[in-house]
Amino acid sequence: LAKTTQPISMDSYEGQEVNITCSHNNIATNDYITWYQQFPSQGPRFIIQGYKTKVTNEVASLFIPADRKSSTLSLPRVSLSDTAVYYCLVGGGTGRRALTFGSGTRLQVQP
Amino acid sequence: DSGVTQTPKHLITATGQRVTLRCSPRSGDLSVYWYQQSLDQGLQFLIQYYNGEERAKGNILERFSAQQFPDLHSELNLSSLELGDSALYFCASSEGGREEQFFGPGTRLTVL
Repeated sequence: LAKTTQPISMDSYEGQEVNITCSHNNIATNDYITWYQQFPSQGPRFIIQGYKTKVTNEVASLFIPADRKSSTLSLPRVSLSDTAVYYCLVGGGTGRRALTFGSGTRLQVQP
Repeated sequence: DSGVTQTPKHLITATGQRVTLRCSPRSGDLSVYWYQQSLDQGLQFLIQYYNGEERAKGNILERFSAQQFPDLHSELNLSSLELGDSALYFCASSEGGREEQFFGPGTRLTVL
């Protein structure tokens, strides 16, 4: 089972770039890294997924170093509506390994 | 709207009882996942099914069981309920086994 660690909380201001790191030391070769956003009383929503190096989409970037033992979600120019909890998820590759969510990082964006 | 539906939205029951939570995945998705989220806690993976077969198992208690039916909907059965089972239970679906997951709105279970 992959073990994941995230900071409990982060504060930022509107317009700033926010980087949230997830540590996953015992990630398996086939595991993918996926990040989700969750608002109170709602299901998580997909942000981005990667396997190695860098992935970018219209809302975020994901940086994964060569050893894959950590990953960093980068949110450019956050707004108030980005205030939420962000989770990394490790797993989903081939085989029957369980999926592991990080404990979540509560991001508070101030005006 | 993710396209994943869960019923019921809320469920209140007593200790020792048994309940069934239902999930309908997005059209075309073959994988269904179940997660438990206790109050102010993170998401705990319970189990995954792919096209009717169990694919991966997480921290699912022996009192809990799940299945995926031929029409791909899934049910999570919780028995001998305890106070600590009170939580939000999410179902998610994906096309195969590793793509992005689409989460349902959850079922809030309260055990009194």
